[in-house]
Amino acid sequence: NAGVTQTPKFQVLKTGQSMTLQCAQDMNHEYMSWYRQDPGMGLRLIHYSVGAGITDQGEVPNGYNVSRSTTEDFPLRLLSAAPSQTSVYFCASSYDIYTEAFFGQGTRLTVV
Amino acid sequence: DAKTTQPPSMDCAEGRAANLPCNHSTISGNEYVYWYRQIHSQGPQYIIHGLKNNETNEMASLIITEDRKSSTLILPHATLRDTAVYYCIVRGPTGRRALTFGSGTRLQVQP
Repeated sequence: NAGVTQTPKFQVLKTGQSMTLQCAQDMNHEYMSWYRQDPGMGLRLIHYSVGAGITDQGEVPNGYNVSRSTTEDFPLRLLSAAPSQTSVYFCASSYDIYTEAFFGQGTRLTVV
Repeated sequence: DAKTTQPPSMDCAEGRAANLPCNHSTISGNEYVYWYRQIHSQGPQYIIHGLKNNETNEMASLIITEDRKSSTLILPHATLRDTAVYYCIVRGPTGRRALTFGSGTRLQVQP
């Protein structure tokens, strides 16, 4: 099992560019979520999904879109990148609300 | 989900037990207590969780007070590799269906 795989690991964007951060899991987990972590801070929830076709907003959803067309994948789209979106992004998955969540290794995004 | 309060930082000597406290005075009867840790810049790692009984696994022990208003994560023999930020999270069937992280406790294990 690969667990939770995030790609790319590093990315530099120019202000105004768009991109998609990929997240895939091979554990057949229904629950998936995206977080961002700014330097020296805790993780903040961006969006999450409780199953294919179902998504909801977290604490900091503005500037990000998500969709969940399959159980395995949960991509995060930045519509028009801003320097304030410079951060490390983590994806997580779990079987249900009570079981342990598995995290990817993160994507380090810099917007210049 | 109930709010949690943790000290911002703690030190522990290598080989000694590390006891990390967490207050969750507004916890409700069907909410669990979870502990995760984040080593340096890696993705968070699950440690342990419990409802009301004390729990133990290969990584740690979780002690929950009888009134469930606080808990303690115990790393029995801390090593330098246990240096990390430890997050206490309360989670139940209502509320947001994703983990919500606070600021955690930064544990520094000293040689």
